[in-house]
Amino acid sequence: EVQLVESGGGLVQPGGSLRLSCAASGFTFSSYSMNWVRQAPGKGLEWVSYISSSSSTIYYADSVKGRFTISRDNAKNSLYLQMNSLRAEDTAVYYCARELYDSSGYSNDYWGQGTLVTVSS
Amino acid sequence: QSALTQPASVSGSPGQSITISCTGTSSDVGGYNYVSWYQQHPGKAPKLMIYDVSNRPSGVSNRFSGSKSGNTASLTISGLQAEDEADYYCSSYTSSSTGVFGTGTKVTVL
Repeated sequence: EVQLVESGGGLVQPGGSLRLSCAASGFTFSSYSMNWVRQAPGKGLEWVSYISSSSSTIYYADSVKGRFTISRDNAKNSLYLQMNSLRAEDTAVYYCARELYDSSGYSNDYWGQGTLVTVSS
Repeated sequence: QSALTQPASVSGSPGQSITISCTGTSSDVGGYNYVSWYQQHPGKAPKLMIYDVSNRPSGVSNRFSGSKSGNTASLTISGLQAEDEADYYCSSYTSSSTGVFGTGTKVTVL
């Protein structure tokens, strides 16, 4: 069974940092591209970042570029999101999601349960 | 990248068909056959319902269908059921190689 489990969320002050993790199991993690998607409370979905299976290709939304860094460790079946210079508008549930197939144009067939990040003083 | 435009709400009676639109530009929806649709129930993670404009993942009911014309994609739910009441989001690949979601549509079963 495919499972994605996020962790690392919590309360952080504006300007602070946080590192999210996503533990993958039930599939060959190293064969799939992955994404981070977030959802502010009561709002819609927002794509955040993409990383290819080998980490050779990475993309970011303009809203997080220069502040967030996506990475993965295929040996540990894990995906990460390092978030720096956090702002109030980064408050959201953060989901990790698996792409349906390589270069599937952001079709994500499996999602984690999400981890809440709250940026507030 | 601006969010794709969806109607805020759509409603229908059980058994009816409804259609949700998703309007973008030639730089996203209109330029690629990489449109997906997701269903999200309150407090739950999104679920992939349609990918590559009109394909259904294994296990998704054939009551859900997708299409595209120009810069507008559509999701049709036929034989509406109470369990279909949820939020629906479209998404697309963009010319910047990034992703973009729609504004979301709340479907209400009357």
